[in-house]
Amino acid sequence: AQKITQTQPGMFVQEKEAVTLDCTYDTSDQSYGLFWYKQPSSGEMIFLIYQGSYDEQNATEGRYSLNFQKARKSANLVISASQLGDSAMYFCAMREAMSMRFGAGTRLTVKP
Amino acid sequence: DSGVTQTPKHLITATGQRVTLRCSPRSGDLSVYWYQQSLDQGLQFLIQYYNGEERAKGNILERFSAQQFPDLHSELNLSSLELGDSALYFCASSLNPGIGPKSSYNEQFFGPGTRLTVL
Repeated sequence: AQKITQTQPGMFVQEKEAVTLDCTYDTSDQSYGLFWYKQPSSGEMIFLIYQGSYDEQNATEGRYSLNFQKARKSANLVISASQLGDSAMYFCAMREAMSMRFGAGTRLTVKP
Repeated sequence: DSGVTQTPKHLITATGQRVTLRCSPRSGDLSVYWYQQSLDQGLQFLIQYYNGEERAKGNILERFSAQQFPDLHSELNLSSLELGDSALYFCASSLNPGIGPKSSYNEQFFGPGTRLTVL
């Protein structure tokens, strides 16, 4: 069964607007971690943001924020004020005690 | 630059051969992870070491093995290579094992990857 689901294969956003990338997860663990990574066309994996399952406040890192809704098991990434350089693949991932799983990714394209 | 280094950057080899990929974690990080990224399988977690000990195991084939040395660098050994092993292999590191509050330094930082091509 899929443990990490990213339902948007592709997204478009206008430059300077905000965009939300969806991620839902499935786990029975009480303690887990949630990650978002960016992979530009050059191939490297860039860490964006992390949220622990017990963190009460949503994580924020600059223009990135993680909208963590534990009861709904969702961990959506919000990018504010999109820039052309934000065009890339975005992966959601979950770390459980004995595994690390990634979603299939969302390709974000920022339009000028 | 994440601070994680991987060598080599590219590797081309033939079926049946054996290769070794090397990873040096960020200074101070105790945990090393290995991942495989291929077009058909996406990103797959292979294995994690924490301070020299195996911590978690994912979809790692029996033909593959890894270890973490006392200086915390890690090697991933791939043997009896098949065409389907062609992929981008990433190493990542974190200070802590990867679960816990944000303040506990569980964030994982990836190296640039090794692109393996099996002909």
